[in-house]
Amino acid sequence: DVVMTQTPPSLSVAIGQSVSISCKSSQSLVYSDGKTYLHWLLQSPGRSPKRLIYQVSNLGSGVPDRFSGTGSQKDFTLKISRVEAEDLGVYYCAQTTHFPPTFGAGTKLELK
Amino acid sequence: VQLVESGGGLVQPGKSLKLSCSASGFTFSSYGMHWIRQAPGKGLDWVAYISSSSGTVYADAVKGRFTISRDNAKNTLYLQLNSLKSEDTAIYYCARNWPFDYWGQGVMVTVSS
Repeated sequence: DVVMTQTPPSLSVAIGQSVSISCKSSQSLVYSDGKTYLHWLLQSPGRSPKRLIYQVSNLGSGVPDRFSGTGSQKDFTLKISRVEAEDLGVYYCAQTTHFPPTFGAGTKLELK
Repeated sequence: VQLVESGGGLVQPGKSLKLSCSASGFTFSSYGMHWIRQAPGKGLDWVAYISSSSGTVYADAVKGRFTISRDNAKNTLYLQLNSLKSEDTAIYYCARNWPFDYWGQGVMVTVSS
């Protein structure tokens, strides 16, 4: 299985601060169609996960443009500009290029 | 889009349980669906997928014990859990399509004697 490694495991931030989360995969996530199936999810406290970004950099419906995703091959980054209180929770990267789909262990974003 | 899971509960090791996921707000028959689980305090673990044409794939950890199915007339997704083990204890979420664009609220399954 593809191992997804997220860093850091946790982050303390102040409202308005910008942060970045790293996700590295054990194999390239470029599929045979040339697309990269790396996605980001947010699980707010006590809630189910919500998809934020799909295929590296595409914002999901209703996701504010404070969120952005970059990266290629095996190295990916989620950036949140000007963190707001509603952004707190656990962020997961996920790959669906290879079977089975796998997730990172999560990065917990907390208030400083 | 709304996904609502049900059917969870406390069950003894070796026993069975059937989860349901009721879908609304979209054409259910046109979408593949997943089950994904989350053990208490842990991360996400993909369990199974059923395509719109009812092709199925499973994680190795549940293959031969769990069965994913769907009833398009009832707009409902199912997961039959057999030969349950303590390590199957988790919140089970249904999620729509690739890659998981909508999730249900989850249902708790506890396997314990």
